[in-house]
Amino acid sequence: SQQGEEDPQALSIQEGENATMNCSYKTSINNLQWYRQNSGRGLVHLILIRSNEREKHSGRLRVTLDTSKKSSSLLITASRAADTASYFCATIGNQFYFGTGTSLTVIP
Amino acid sequence: DAGVIQSPRHEVTEMGQEVTLRCKPISGHNSLFWYRQTMMRGLELLIYFNNNVPIDDSGMPEDRFSAKMPNASFSTLKIQPSEPRDSAVYFCASNGLRDSSYNEQFFGPGTRLTVL
Repeated sequence: SQQGEEDPQALSIQEGENATMNCSYKTSINNLQWYRQNSGRGLVHLILIRSNEREKHSGRLRVTLDTSKKSSSLLITASRAADTASYFCATIGNQFYFGTGTSLTVIP
Repeated sequence: DAGVIQSPRHEVTEMGQEVTLRCKPISGHNSLFWYRQTMMRGLELLIYFNNNVPIDDSGMPEDRFSAKMPNASFSTLKIQPSEPRDSAVYFCASNGLRDSSYNEQFFGPGTRLTVL
């Protein structure tokens, strides 16, 4: 099965609300990355968190990593309609795995 | 930099035909990745190269699939013969710097392949 699995699969929120997406994985990693994909486009890197880090911020993004639970979360604060996209976690260890993705819809 | 360039952007072919997808990575990057994305299976890593050498091709689904990287600025993914279940969006990505395999990847726009 997939190494990285996100939940929820789909999320719909109002503009201004926060969006939280979770990612679980199975094996040891060097780092974990989050990507965004707009419909019909390639993936765009958002943020990378290393295995020895617990939290990282970038603008309205906050990522946490719990290696003991093999899980990560991506929080987007004060969401905007333009944040509507699919979000994927990628686990980078001996192999590369992308999760199944969370489809986020931000309603204006 | 123009980013990762893929061609063609769309390809429609008939079952049994040979398909060749092309990728030009970002100049200076020394790792290149080929992915396939479908609704059913999500994003799958097919193969990746480091310094033009294939490192892991365990994701290549069948012998019908082959990939080459003859030089640092060009790679191909070939499907011969193609089948309808190969229909997907194929992405190429690259990254660079030391320990490049662990860094962020830069994705191309993808090639949407339809096999009739």
